[in-house]
Amino acid sequence: AQKVTQAQTEISVVEKEDVTLDCVYETRDTTYYLFWYKQPPSGELVFLIRRNSFDEQNEISGRYSWNFQKSTSSFNFTITASQVVDSAVYFCALSEAGGYGGATNKLIFGTGTLLAVQP
Amino acid sequence: NAGVTQTPKFRVLKTGQSMTLLCAQDMNHEYMYWYRQDPGMGLRLIHYSVGEGTTAKGEVPDGYNVSRLKKQNFLLGLESAAPSQTSVYFCASSYPRATGYYGYTFGSGTRLTVV
Repeated sequence: AQKVTQAQTEISVVEKEDVTLDCVYETRDTTYYLFWYKQPPSGELVFLIRRNSFDEQNEISGRYSWNFQKSTSSFNFTITASQVVDSAVYFCALSEAGGYGGATNKLIFGTGTLLAVQP
Repeated sequence: NAGVTQTPKFRVLKTGQSMTLLCAQDMNHEYMYWYRQDPGMGLRLIHYSVGEGTTAKGEVPDGYNVSRLKKQNFLLGLESAAPSQTSVYFCASSYPRATGYYGYTFGSGTRLTVV
């Protein structure tokens, strides 16, 4: 069965510190997608990144970077030089195989990591 | 282009009352999902639908029913609300992966309190 584990429940850092949010997943699918979402205090879910199981290249987008390692089933998220606006709950999620023929494309979430960035 | 719209945004129910949450999408997505979010639990799938007229149970379906009579709408019903159903409910939609599009669109959520 698919499962996503975010072992860090809460992280508190001081502004300008770097912070890494961990995500470990379990799946028997050979084709899958991994996602990160941000949920600010306002409550909406903000899409950050999607990565497919065939692409292990790390990705950098501004202050955000993602490290995908199939060998350890991890998809970690790093914020460089954190800012107060980064304070939010961050969710890692896994999409099981989907498509026509009865599959579901369900998105399975981890329990989230609350990041508090102090000024 | 509104995306996914959930109504209502807030609701307070008394134990035993019934209500329906509406999710409407205007992107012609085949798949739709209802999640609930509780502190420390992340988002858990309640029910989902892979097409008009079809529904299926997710991880936590007990106490809920759903209907997908029209492709653009996915309704979540609570027949007899219980305090354990106090939660934030999110609706989402997506295309099947075979279409080549792999994203999900989420609504803004419905905060439901059962007293």
